Amino acid sequence: SYVLTQPPSVSVAPGKTARITCGGNNIGSKSVHWYQQKPGQAPVLVVYDDSDRPSGIPERFSGSNSGNTATLTISRVEAGDEADYYCQVWDSSSDPYVFGTGTKVTVL
Amino acid sequence: EVQLVESGGGLVQPGRSLRLSCAASGFTFDDYAMHWVRQAPGKGLEWVSGISWNSGSIGYADSVKGRFTISRDNAKNSLYLQMNSLRAEDTALYYCAKDPGGTAAMSYYFDYWGQGTLVTVSS
Repeated sequence: SYVLTQPPSVSVAPGKTARITCGGNNIGSKSVHWYQQKPGQAPVLVVYDDSDRPSGIPERFSGSNSGNTATLTISRVEAGDEADYYCQVWDSSSDPYVFGTGTKVTVL
Repeated sequence: EVQLVESGGGLVQPGRSLRLSCAASGFTFDDYAMHWVRQAPGKGLEWVSGISWNSGSIGYADSVKGRFTISRDNAKNSLYLQMNSLRAEDTALYYCAKDPGGTAAMSYYFDYWGQGTLVTVSS
């Protein structure tokens, strides 16, 4: 089955830029979606189809995807961005909806 | 406003059964595919099962295939998950999630999630 690998943690100072990577074999050929999950809450979609944002999601959240790595970028990080972030793709394998391992973003 | 409200979780012994429900509102339920996604305590997200708008297409994760059954009642705006032969490793928070694609095609991601219902499998 398809595997998505994320760094366990990313730390960033307020006002700086956080970059969260999602690695997978030829992931650039797939559509990547990103979710934010704050403690005790359900996941929230923050980026879909590599780089599109749902309504209500700040422009500070952006995505890119090429080769074997997709990236979620959070610009001008705020304390409220502290959360776990998961990437997700669809793959034509036995378990088609694949989530990444998750990245905990800590705002210093 | 889209709302997804799960219910039916609880403590159950290994080998027993449980049925989860998800009540949907705020959108035309029978136009959209729906899914169950779970999260074990302190762990990541795992897709469990999905069903198309008309129940014509159904899928399961290998980990639950043959034990879990997904269904929906469009007249009641409800999604269900029948879980049989439960194991300790099925312990998780179970989320109901909506696919944003309509009847023409699925989008293969999740635009709205419920708050989840906790299933604990233990003797």
